[in-house]
Amino acid sequence: GAVVSQHPSRVICKSGTSVKIECRSLDFQATTMFWYRQFPKQSLMLMATSNEGSKATYEQGVEKDKFLINHASLTLSTLTVTSAHPEDSSFYICSARGNWPYEQYFGPGTRLTVT
Amino acid sequence: GESVGLHLPTLSVQEGDNSIINCAYSNSASDYFIWYKQESGKGPQFIIDIRSNMDKRQGQRVTVLLNKTVKHLSLQIAATQPGDSAVYFCAENRVVYSGAGSYQLTFGKGTKLSVIP
Repeated sequence: GAVVSQHPSRVICKSGTSVKIECRSLDFQATTMFWYRQFPKQSLMLMATSNEGSKATYEQGVEKDKFLINHASLTLSTLTVTSAHPEDSSFYICSARGNWPYEQYFGPGTRLTVT
Repeated sequence: GESVGLHLPTLSVQEGDNSIINCAYSNSASDYFIWYKQESGKGPQFIIDIRSNMDKRQGQRVTVLLNKTVKHLSLQIAATQPGDSAVYFCAENRVVYSGAGSYQLTFGKGTKLSVIP
């Protein structure tokens, strides 16, 4: 199957700083990328959907000014958590989908800890 | 047996036994369902999928059953092995807006499977 990578796999940052997470589709062109957040012992919650070259569509309750998403190319999307707070500590997972057959491939996740 | 924890239901099975993990979905318009396996600290891994025009699909050691009448999905794992220990999520493919590719996955709560050696 197709491969999606994320970088970094783990990051620790101080409260008030910003952190950027990269998501790459390694062997296919991802026209759509999804960002999920997962708290311990909970399910994946969709944060936003982005199509290449367009603004991201955020789910209800997700602050677009806090979670900046850029999908500038068909192989790269970035999520920037701005002015991070301890409650932003979570496991962030990206997913990528091509044009056809619309299967969605998941990255390995990024563990963010805000101190 | 099966128990409901604070957030995540847990299913404990003896190695070699069969496991059945259940999932209820919410949208009767969903036309595609997927089971994922997630090991600790990793992203979801595709196991098996099924379209709404089917009620059963088999893979290697896994079977998915779909009951559209009661909006219920199950994953059966035969001869469960220690390597099957993980959290299992069902996901339904939901149309967001009209147009090609305009849908998104919605994940269920998940079930933690623990295999007792």
